[in-house]
Amino acid sequence: DVKVTQSSRYLVKRTGEKVFLECVQDMDHENMFWYRQDPGLGLRLIYFSYDVKMKEKGDIPEGYSVSREKKERFSLILESASTNQTSMYLCASIPGTGTDTQYFGPGTRLTVL
Amino acid sequence: RKEVEQDPGPFNVPEGATVAFNCTYSNSASQSFFWYRQDCRKEPKLLMSVYSSGNEDGRFTAQLNRASQYISLLIRDSKLSDSATYLCVVNEWQDNYGQNFVFGPGTRLSVLP
Repeated sequence: DVKVTQSSRYLVKRTGEKVFLECVQDMDHENMFWYRQDPGLGLRLIYFSYDVKMKEKGDIPEGYSVSREKKERFSLILESASTNQTSMYLCASIPGTGTDTQYFGPGTRLTVL
Repeated sequence: RKEVEQDPGPFNVPEGATVAFNCTYSNSASQSFFWYRQDCRKEPKLLMSVYSSGNEDGRFTAQLNRASQYISLLIRDSKLSDSATYLCVVNEWQDNYGQNFVFGPGTRLSVLP
């Protein structure tokens, strides 16, 4: 079974802090994604990566950056957390082009005070 | 206009009822289509892919109408365990980097005893 893990299930941070959210997949998947999920808005794509050291902006990249130094790990960084970044953050991966079933991590519920 | 729209819900139905969810998408170039299920405070998980010919998996039937850009999910003989949020997902291919998954906001279903 594919496993996608995220570093924390729940996280509480203060405004202005730098926040790192880690995602690791164990099946050598090419593509990885970071989404945030808010009530009534569904999942919105923040960033994705289709290869090591490659990254592409999604629909709402402002206030976020990402890092993919190794194939299995995709990190989401909030340079200076703000209260409007309080959300559920979901990481997903897929093997590569030609296959399109996304596997999601359990999510990190981030609260910024 | 949102790219993927779903019935707002929530749907509250008695056990054994048949319930249908609708979804419309705006990008006529969309390539593949899915229904995901998301339990409260959990990650989305693939319920079924949706094929042009329609497909069935037990009590679940999915239909796709490309001309109308419409996707449906029918659940027959609903069970208490079907209570969840159902997400319609559309995969759009991008020229430069392949896949772009677009999620609907979800429709919540509560099956009542």
